[in-house]
Amino acid sequence: KNEVEQSPQNLTAQEGEFITINCSYSVGISALHWLQQHPGGGIVSLFMLSSGKKKHGRLIATINIQEKHSSLHITASHPRDSAVYICAGFSGSRLTFGEGTQLTVNP
Amino acid sequence: NAGVTQTPKFRVLKTGQSMTLLCAQDMNHEYMYWYRQDPGMGLRLIHYSVGEGTTAKGEVPDGYNVSRLKKQNFLLGLESAAPSQTSVYFCASSLQGPNTEAFFGQGTRLTVV
Repeated sequence: KNEVEQSPQNLTAQEGEFITINCSYSVGISALHWLQQHPGGGIVSLFMLSSGKKKHGRLIATINIQEKHSSLHITASHPRDSAVYICAGFSGSRLTFGEGTQLTVNP
Repeated sequence: NAGVTQTPKFRVLKTGQSMTLLCAQDMNHEYMYWYRQDPGMGLRLIHYSVGEGTTAKGEVPDGYNVSRLKKQNFLLGLESAAPSQTSVYFCASSLQGPNTEAFFGQGTRLTVV
């Protein structure tokens, strides 16, 4: 069992829908990253957070360290949001990655 | 500002051949990492470096070697490639440790036949 579990694995939405991707971890972590992997393969960092909530444009990330859970929300989704979203927990000296959530937003 | 650049982007190797993947960053980051990404699995750490002249093993180091002779470059070597090393390889760097923002290269798709 992976230390970092993401759900759902695949998600299809219609343009404009509100989207939530969840990340749960079985070990204690002190911070969590959300990454976006584009269809071409490149990976970019979206957020790094250790408490509360962060917002960047239409993206919102929340974390509850005690409950070992984080969520990534996308408001007013758009086809260009189609990508794989990856969470990674920081524990000790390393990052442990989830398998990713494949998001497809249809026009 | 190029960020993190990996070369090559694609490569096909025969079993037993050797090759080196180059990662270069121009952000003066201390930490650099090599990951591999395989279907159905999260990114896994191969080796990492916390500064020039230092390297350390990650989760899956067997079959790989690394060097960090210059702060801006982190090389990943495969001495004798095996089909199990077919994967997509990502280099990343961060200013400090994994609790700081990471910047990734575009990836190298390696196929070992």
